[in-house]
Amino acid sequence: AQSVTQLGSHVSVSEGALVLLRCNYSSSVPPYLFWYVQYPNQGLQLLLKYTTGATLVKGINGFEAEFKKSETSFHLTKPSAHMSDAAEYFCAVSDAGSARQLTFGSGTQLTVLP
Amino acid sequence: DTGVSQDPRHKITKRGQNVTFRCDPISEHNRLYWYRQTLGQGPEFLTYFQNEAQLEKSRLLSDRFSAERPKGSFSTLEIQRTEQGDSAMYLCASTLIDSNYGYTFGSGTRLTVV
Repeated sequence: AQSVTQLGSHVSVSEGALVLLRCNYSSSVPPYLFWYVQYPNQGLQLLLKYTTGATLVKGINGFEAEFKKSETSFHLTKPSAHMSDAAEYFCAVSDAGSARQLTFGSGTQLTVLP
Repeated sequence: DTGVSQDPRHKITKRGQNVTFRCDPISEHNRLYWYRQTLGQGPEFLTYFQNEAQLEKSRLLSDRFSAERPKGSFSTLEIQRTEQGDSAMYLCASTLIDSNYGYTFGSGTRLTVV
């Protein structure tokens, strides 16, 4: 069984500061890893994903994440927060099996302070 | 490509009533997933289809829930005899198998059972 742990249900940063959202996973098979963003009353938008290859993945809106197998982590970062980054962020894992459904973490609410 | 469409966006129903939601995936996508998201939690997998075949159902999908995808196009999710615990956001996602995991989510249907 797979699981995802997002450390910190709420994170606050000042505008222009570094954003770091933590995600640890457990999987018995090589994982595929995702970060999604959700704005209020909306669906999920894919920020970035890791499947194979380079472990540092760049996504939309200046976000990036690094897959660290030894630490079973896939933390999301952005060098400089913008007010428009305020949203809920979900980390998700999928395996390479036939179903490939996503298992999500419980989410991190990001607040950006002026 | 107009994305994944879900209808209705909001549904308020009385306990004990039946409700049906519709999802129209991206036309060339052959896999369709249903997820449920309760307040403050990440989405949880309910079921998925490959073309018209329902290939897996989560234990979360009680006997009161049924999903169909006739002709492998749009899908419906019906909840019979709704309970207050069914109140949640129901999300639909679609993807093309072996497409490097390009899951696209709809905006969801928010169900409130009163």
